[in-house]
Amino acid sequence: DQQVKQNSPSLSVQEGRISILNCDYTNSMFDYFLWYKKYPAEGPTFLISISSIKDKNEDGRFTVFLNKSAKHLSLHIVPSQPGDSAVYFCGSGGSNYKLTFGKGTLLTVNP
Amino acid sequence: EAQVTQNPRYLITVTGKKLTVTCSQNMNHEYMSWYRQDPGLGLRQIYYSMNVEVTDKGDVPEGYKVSRKEKRNFPLILESPSPNQTSLYFCASSLVEGPAKNIQYFGAGTRLSVL
Repeated sequence: DQQVKQNSPSLSVQEGRISILNCDYTNSMFDYFLWYKKYPAEGPTFLISISSIKDKNEDGRFTVFLNKSAKHLSLHIVPSQPGDSAVYFCGSGGSNYKLTFGKGTLLTVNP
Repeated sequence: EAQVTQNPRYLITVTGKKLTVTCSQNMNHEYMSWYRQDPGLGLRQIYYSMNVEVTDKGDVPEGYKVSRKEKRNFPLILESPSPNQTSLYFCASSLVEGPAKNIQYFGAGTRLSVL
């Protein structure tokens, strides 16, 4: 039972355009959500988070949107840069501090 | 520098030979966790610990052991490794209170091959 799903294994965008990465979850007890970015041969690094009491959180070029009724969140990167090319993981958690991740989406930003 | 340190970074071993992957964090985090990353499966949690002497199973605990005798260390033990434990392993830690709680910081990873 996959509680966190990233349905797009890969995404390719042009430099300067918007990248939109999507994530769906099934567990209504999740009350916080995080996005991580991972380069090859490195550990995942924290990017941005959002709690269930908000529907948007912004940090520079990165914005996360949460739609609780649809159990859906998305990460927007504007404008996309070649250095953003990486695997992005969506993670969700609840009161037990256990974090469940999706399978990841490989973003490629073409110059 | 705040960090999570895993050792070794690379390890090749044979079936049945006990091994330990160490993990240490210098951020005074209460929560520590181990994950494995496999192609097409993403990050899956093996074990986690809320504090010293408190550990619990994640989604894929079979074949692994952990211990949390000190706050900063959380070693992962494979008593009798098998080829299906060939994977990329990550240790992570986080606070459990405050504005930064639940943001997990990851180590650089340990690539394990079991022949």
